[in-house]
Formats: sequence, C-alpha cells, structure tokens
Amino acid sequence: GQNIDQPTEMTATEGAIVQINCTYQTSGFNGLFWYQQHAGEAPTFLSYNVLDGLEEKGRFSSFLSRSKGYSYLLLKELQMKDSASYLCAPDTGGFKTIFGAGTRLFVKA
Amino acid sequence: GAVVSQHPSWVICKSGTSVKIECRSLDFQATTMFWYRQFPKQSLMLMATSNEGSKATYEQGVEKDKFLINHASLTLSTLTVTSAHPEDSSFYICSASGLAGDPITYEQYFGPGTRLTVT
Repeated sequence: GQNIDQPTEMTATEGAIVQINCTYQTSGFNGLFWYQQHAGEAPTFLSYNVLDGLEEKGRFSSFLSRSKGYSYLLLKELQMKDSASYLCAPDTGGFKTIFGAGTRLFVKA
Repeated sequence: GAVVSQHPSWVICKSGTSVKIECRSLDFQATTMFWYRQFPKQSLMLMATSNEGSKATYEQGVEKDKFLINHASLTLSTLTVTSAHPEDSSFYICSASGLAGDPITYEQYFGPGTRLTVT
C-alpha cells in the first residue's frame, strides 16, 4: 500500500529555522517532491530529490534517505509569507505522484 | 516556467446541473494531465489521470460516469461534473506533466484551481 506521514501542524517564529519531516511507504519510488500550498491556491513546486542527501535552494533545503523512506524540508530565515501547507509527495513512477495530507506551518511574529 | 490555466476559477451551480472545467497548458505540450479534488484542510485526492487521445484512468471510488474527462489535445483537458450535488462542492485542481530536465522528473505544473459550489 501507499502511506505518507507528516505532522499536521507546526508553529515557528519569524526568522527561525523549521524542519518538516515526512516518512513514506510506496509501491514504487523514483524521487520525492515538496510542494507549497497557500490556502485557497494550487500547489507550487519547491524541490525534487532523487539521490540521498541534502539539496539546498536558497532559504529552502530538502533531504532524502531512500533506504529509510524519509525526507525533510528545511526552511531557514522564516518569513510571514512562508505560512502555508507543505506537501510531501513521492513520485511512484509512471507519472504517478501521491500527496501527503500536508503540514500546515504557522509563522508568528 | 510552465504555465497551466484553469477555467472557470469559481462556479456556482444548482443541484442536478452539469459543470465543465477546462485545463490548458499554455506554453508546453503536456504528456499527461491529472485531476484532483481537495476538500478544506485535506490533501489533494487524485481523481483521474489522462493521456491525450486515450481514456482516462480513474482512481478507486471515483465514478467515471459522473466525472467525465476528455483529453482532446496535448494542451487541453476538460472535467465535466454531471448531475452535480452539494457533496460535489470542492476545490478542483488540474495539473499537467511531461518529461523534463536531467534527471528526468515528472514534475506536475498545477492550474490555479476551480472552486465549485453546488446549491
């Protein structure tokens, strides 16, 4: 079966660092996407990890461990506009990506 | 980046009527298009996957006779909600995908979504 686990909600302070964890079990796996979704809007692409390790892209970094079925999204220097849902989405192959329920991040001043 | 449009952005219809939602990839040819439904504070739920010129593949539990998908070209897919009922009220999002980059990714480019309210 397919299963994706990530925390439902997190709260962090402006300027801080936050790590959003995701564990997954899928029948196939090519890589892992992270998407950001603001309320009432469509998701936007943040990152795609294929290989193990950390990939840094500006304030956002994403980590993948294929053997552990584990990924995290790291957000640095948090800004109020980072308040959104973050979706962990394994690419299971053949154009099939499945989405976790998302982690709602609240950034407070 | 790749742009996907969706029309209409919101629609209100009466129970029993049908509603058509269009999804277009504006600057690329999409190999595959996806239709999702999202209820408030819930994740994206994949409804169906469609490839141009072939029948859509529906996820378990999604009624193919109720949610009609037509993928007439590499840039256009439509979702028709037939005989809509209040429980069909939801946020419908399409996405388009194609081989891209190195390594090849199946990144999905999302449309802005359509909010359907059935009264």
